[in-house]
Amino acid sequence: DAGITQSPRYKITETGRQVTLMCHQTWSHSYMFWYRQDLGHGLRLIYYSAAADITDKGEVPDGYVVSRSKTENFPLTLESATRSQTSVYFCATRGGSSYNEQFFGPGTRLTVL
Amino acid sequence: DQQVKQNSPSLSVQEGRISILNCDYTNSMFDYFLWYKKYPAEGPTFLISISSIKDKNEDGRFTVFLNKSAKHLSLHIVPSQPGDSAVYFCAASGETSYDKVIFGPGTSLSVIP
Repeated sequence: DAGITQSPRYKITETGRQVTLMCHQTWSHSYMFWYRQDLGHGLRLIYYSAAADITDKGEVPDGYVVSRSKTENFPLTLESATRSQTSVYFCATRGGSSYNEQFFGPGTRLTVL
Repeated sequence: DQQVKQNSPSLSVQEGRISILNCDYTNSMFDYFLWYKKYPAEGPTFLISISSIKDKNEDGRFTVFLNKSAKHLSLHIVPSQPGDSAVYFCAASGETSYDKVIFGPGTSLSVIP
């Protein structure tokens, strides 16, 4: 039971291409999140979802699209990748006894050339 | 403007000594604070948290102190071990489970054997 997985782990793409990063969880946690990690900024929230078919913008949503048709999946799409979207992307879920504790996936390192 | 600040990008400590990681926040509405630990090529993992109704929370070698009047918290690791070498993120959120978690930029801790 992997808990939360992300794929691919590494991705290189070119400016203007569409890229989709996948996130899958086996806990049935309601909340799911997408963050990007950049030096000097820590983790910044891109989008989050409170449940299937409910999504909302975070701090840095521009250039990204999300969907959540099933509780366990929360894909993140870059519709037209730009160099500024080169980053490490983390998916997370929230659940358990500590209501604000989040569980993170291993991350996807995306490079946009 | 960053709402959660970790002004020391890096910290180096001898094995067996105390590590003190600091965090400041600007939003007085924050009510719950968390520390996450991150190893290279892995996602962050939850370490310890504290509610604003407390000023101290301890878990083994890890203790978090909260000074609400100064909007300051710190993480103490005693004694420090080489396996503690990682990036530590301070995070803060409001009082409800619907509030987003805001992360600081992180402090890289190196524990020297």
